[in-house]
Amino acid sequence: GENVEQHPSTLSVQEGDSAVIKCTYSDSASNYFPWYKQELGKRPQLIIDIRSNVGEKKDQRIAVTLNKTAKHFSLHITETQPEDSAVYFCAASKNTDKLIFGTGTRLQVFP
Amino acid sequence: NAGVTQTPKFQVLKTGQSMTLQCAQDMNHNSMYWYRQDPGMGLRLIYYSASEGTTDKGEVPNGYNVSRLNKREFSLRLESAAPSQTSVYFCASSVWRDTGELFFGEGSRLTVL
Repeated sequence: GENVEQHPSTLSVQEGDSAVIKCTYSDSASNYFPWYKQELGKRPQLIIDIRSNVGEKKDQRIAVTLNKTAKHFSLHITETQPEDSAVYFCAASKNTDKLIFGTGTRLQVFP
Repeated sequence: NAGVTQTPKFQVLKTGQSMTLQCAQDMNHNSMYWYRQDPGMGLRLIYYSASEGTTDKGEVPNGYNVSRLNKREFSLRLESAAPSQTSVYFCASSVWRDTGELFFGEGSRLTVL
């Protein structure tokens, strides 16, 4: 089955800096890669996703890149703000079926 | 629209007791899921139901059973709770194969003593 590894487990950045979170997946058949954000005590919420026919996708300050050959994908947050502080999860699946999540990255943005 | 509603939000059990976590969604989604969240382990899939009338095991199904009661409701049962089942449980739903977005409930914090 699919296995997703996520790094780093914690990340601290200064407000205004960029943050990058990386994930690798094991199943070459996976074709859907979402990212979820979970604020403290809240439920996870989708922030961006990418499908395997696309190499990069942007939405304002966040972007996701996908390298199918190397089986890894990354989340990029530019101009970080304190409200970006949260736990971020990557995930992978084939045809959106049965998402398998990474172990999460706790991002702290210091003012 | 309430979205995905889970009950109860908090529960304390003794080892060996049984309980059922209830989940209902009002978005007419086909697929429903149960995840558990433990520190440092991320979200792990327990069981899922791709559509009404079907259920399948996820990554960590041992010690759990599920019932897809109808299109709206998907329950998770612990027949004989163990301390290792202390966790936060999230129910989620999605539109099957149309979009991948999971909509999560608020979570249920379960402690087994």
